[in-house]
Amino acid sequence: AQSVAQPEDQVNVAEGNPLTVKCTYSVSGNPYLFWYVQYPNRGLQFLLKYITGDNLVKGSYGFEAEFNKSQTSFHLKKPSALVSDSALYFCAVRDSTGGFKTIFGAGTRLFVKA
Amino acid sequence: DGGITQSPKYLFRKEGQNVTLSCEQNLNHDAMYWYRQDPGQGLRLIYYSQIVNDFQKGDIAEGYSVSREKKESFPLTVTSAQKNPTAFYLCASTSRGPERYGYTFGSGTRLTVV
Repeated sequence: AQSVAQPEDQVNVAEGNPLTVKCTYSVSGNPYLFWYVQYPNRGLQFLLKYITGDNLVKGSYGFEAEFNKSQTSFHLKKPSALVSDSALYFCAVRDSTGGFKTIFGAGTRLFVKA
Repeated sequence: DGGITQSPKYLFRKEGQNVTLSCEQNLNHDAMYWYRQDPGQGLRLIYYSQIVNDFQKGDIAEGYSVSREKKESFPLTVTSAQKNPTAFYLCASTSRGPERYGYTFGSGTRLTVV
């Protein structure tokens, strides 16, 4: 069965510092991996995805994520955090073996302090 | 601009009442989904539909019903059988095409029982 884990409920960083939001996954086939961001009382917005190819994926707003097959991880990163990055971040996985269901992690709240 | 429209943004339900949440998309996406979001629990799948006139139960379908009579529309009815309906409801859609696996989300409907 598919599963996604985001081990941190909240991540706190100072503005200008690098940030990492962690995600690990479990699927039976090859994974399709996603990061989404949610601002208060809004829907989720797509940030980036890994389907195949380069392990380092670049996305919107300066975010990137590194796919690590051996560690079954897909951590979200940004070299220099902004206060406006403060939001709720969701990791998601879909199994390439079929189906249209995507499993979402519980979410990690990022707080960037000025 | 293409997107997903959810209405209403806020909805209040009395005990024993059925209410219907609207979801319309003009992205020509085949698959549509309903998720429920509760604090600290991430997104849980209620129902999904891959094609018109067909839909499947997700992980928490009890107390909910859906229809898919048109490709553009996927309304969700929260019935009186749903004992704890207060939550944020998100509709999403995705293409069946191999190059597009991410979801597009609506801006959500916040349902409150009064």
